[in-house]
Amino acid sequence: SQQGEEDPQALSIQEGENATMNCSYKTSINNLQWYRQNSGRGLVHLILIRSNEREKHSGRLRVTLDTSKKSSSLLITASRAADTASYFCATAGFMNTGFQKLVFGTGTRLLVSP
Amino acid sequence: DAGVTQSPTHLIKTRGQQVTLRCSPKSGHDTVSWYQQALGQGPQFIFQYYEEEERQRGNFPDRFSGHQFPNYSSELNVNALLLGDSALYLCASSLAGRNSPLHFGNGTRLTVT
Repeated sequence: SQQGEEDPQALSIQEGENATMNCSYKTSINNLQWYRQNSGRGLVHLILIRSNEREKHSGRLRVTLDTSKKSSSLLITASRAADTASYFCATAGFMNTGFQKLVFGTGTRLLVSP
Repeated sequence: DAGVTQSPTHLIKTRGQQVTLRCSPKSGHDTVSWYQQALGQGPQFIFQYYEEEERQRGNFPDRFSGHQFPNYSSELNVNALLLGDSALYLCASSLAGRNSPLHFGNGTRLTVT
């Protein structure tokens, strides 16, 4: 079963515009991660935000986390055609074993047109 | 620095057959996780291996089994294949620890006919 739900399911924008994707989850987390997947290929890690952090930046990416609302958002600024991909949020719960299990959401398909 | 490699890239099997998928982790990584991704869905966690032992398991039947070797590489075995097992199987490696991001291979596309 999926832990997270991304919104919107699909997003179509023009190059240069900003893209915002949202993720909601159900249970308490240790950290939340965002991944990108180009069609039919493996996922690439973008950014990790810990449960005690509220905002994190990496290049053109900005991630926010609101644990009270159990939600996160990913903002891609000044988008490029190369940003076209599916984006997934993944949550890691608190594990006594010390091993984290990432539970992925359903993904947002982003299309950036030149 | 080699990333995660998976073999084969594509595979076609018939219902009832058995399949073995292989994964070599990124250099320096000691933990391997396997995920199943159906078309249009997010990856679903199958299981995770560390020090040659299964450490965590998702909601998959016993038909799905795995192994990790001393060199940290891993295999995923699926017995008695069903049509519903058709999916992209992704291997991910990481360093043991709570906040270690996953590094994914490009997956094996399994088609069951």
